[in-house]
Amino acid sequence: DTEVTQTPKHLVMGMTNKKSLKCEQHMGHRAMYWYKQKAKKPPELMFVYSYEKLSINESVPSRFSPECPNSSLLNLHLHALQPEDSALYLCASSQDLKKGAFSNQPQHFGDGTRLSIL
Amino acid sequence: GIQVEQSPPDLILQEGANSTLRCNFSDSVNNLQWFHQNPWGQLINLFYIPSGTKQNGRLSATTVATERYSLLYISSSQTTDSGVYFCAVERYGGTSYGKLTFGQGTILTVHP
Repeated sequence: DTEVTQTPKHLVMGMTNKKSLKCEQHMGHRAMYWYKQKAKKPPELMFVYSYEKLSINESVPSRFSPECPNSSLLNLHLHALQPEDSALYLCASSQDLKKGAFSNQPQHFGDGTRLSIL
Repeated sequence: GIQVEQSPPDLILQEGANSTLRCNFSDSVNNLQWFHQNPWGQLINLFYIPSGTKQNGRLSATTVATERYSLLYISSSQTTDSGVYFCAVERYGGTSYGKLTFGQGTILTVHP
């Protein structure tokens, strides 16, 4: 069992629907991440939150809206998605984002949400 | 941005064989991780190894940061080792904190 929990595991939605993906961790981590992974490709970073504040947005379309309501939870709100947005969405967390000479901690991934857009 | 190259892209083994996977990266890094993604899509962290050598059971990894490469060794392979192995690196600086860049992966198939 992973220490990062994602729900739902599978989601099928129409292009006009609004849905949300949820991610939860109880390891006391203060950095959380969303990745998107297409079939036979590596994961690609979408967003990074540090101490509940958005740190990195990798030019993701506005139909994806992240939210970090507290240090344990990360949401990804979906609206008006396109068929090409069908993918595996992975959440990850790490202890902190440290600047300077100190090394960041490893990122721990959830099992993902497999999203299909009809 | 930083480039990550993994080799070989595909590897087919008989159960019990040993193998070495390689990860080359184009710049100095502060973080390097090896992952195994199983056929169900679960991405499992194998090693956090920005430098040095680590071992975990039948798996071991070595990163030579000064020469910008890392190796993952799998000994006595089992069918459950099948899946995709990713190397991912992070280089600090500017807005790059927390950004893991993944290689394209090595697809490993172990036959019984």
